[in-house]
Amino acid sequence: AQSVTQLGSHVSVSEGALVLLRCNYSSSVPPYLFWYVQYPNQGLQLLLKYTTGATLVKGINGFEAEFKKSETSFHLTKPSAHMSDAAEYFCAVRKFQGAQKLVFGQGTRLTINP
Amino acid sequence: NAGVTQTPKFQVLKTGQSMTLQCAQDMNHEYMSWYRQDPGMGLRLIHYSVGAGITDQGEVPNGYNVSRSTTEDFPLRLLSAAPSQTSVYFCASSYAPGRSSYNEQFFGPGTRLTVL
Repeated sequence: AQSVTQLGSHVSVSEGALVLLRCNYSSSVPPYLFWYVQYPNQGLQLLLKYTTGATLVKGINGFEAEFKKSETSFHLTKPSAHMSDAAEYFCAVRKFQGAQKLVFGQGTRLTINP
Repeated sequence: NAGVTQTPKFQVLKTGQSMTLQCAQDMNHEYMSWYRQDPGMGLRLIHYSVGAGITDQGEVPNGYNVSRSTTEDFPLRLLSAAPSQTSVYFCASSYAPGRSSYNEQFFGPGTRLTVL
């Protein structure tokens, strides 16, 4: 069965510092992996996705993630945090091939300190 | 395009009351789904639909009903509300597998439901 684990329910970084949000997955089929962002009182917005091809995926707002099959990881990074990055971030894996069902991690709340 | 819209934004119910959460999309997406979001648990799938007239259960379907009479609309019905159904509910839609952009699910802004 597919599952997602996000390490750290709350991450706090200083403005300008590196952002690293961790995600590990398990999947019985080649995974499709996603990162979504949720700003306060809003719905989820797709940041980036990995389906096939290049393992380093670039998303919106300067975020990127690297798919590492050997480590079953899909960590999200941004070189320099901005105050506007404060939000909750969700990693998700497609449930099974050919389907649209997503299995979400529990979320990581990112706080940016001035 | 309005995208995915949900009404109401907020709702307070008493235990045992019923209500319908509305969801509509104007992107001609085949696939629609309902999730609930609870602290520390991420989003969990309640019900989903792969097209008009076709629905199926997700992870946490108990206490909820859905129907899909049109491509655009996918209402979620709470039959007899319970405090355990206090949550934020999100509707999402996407193209069916095989379409070029089918990997992305588009989410509505959510409905915050409190059951007293």
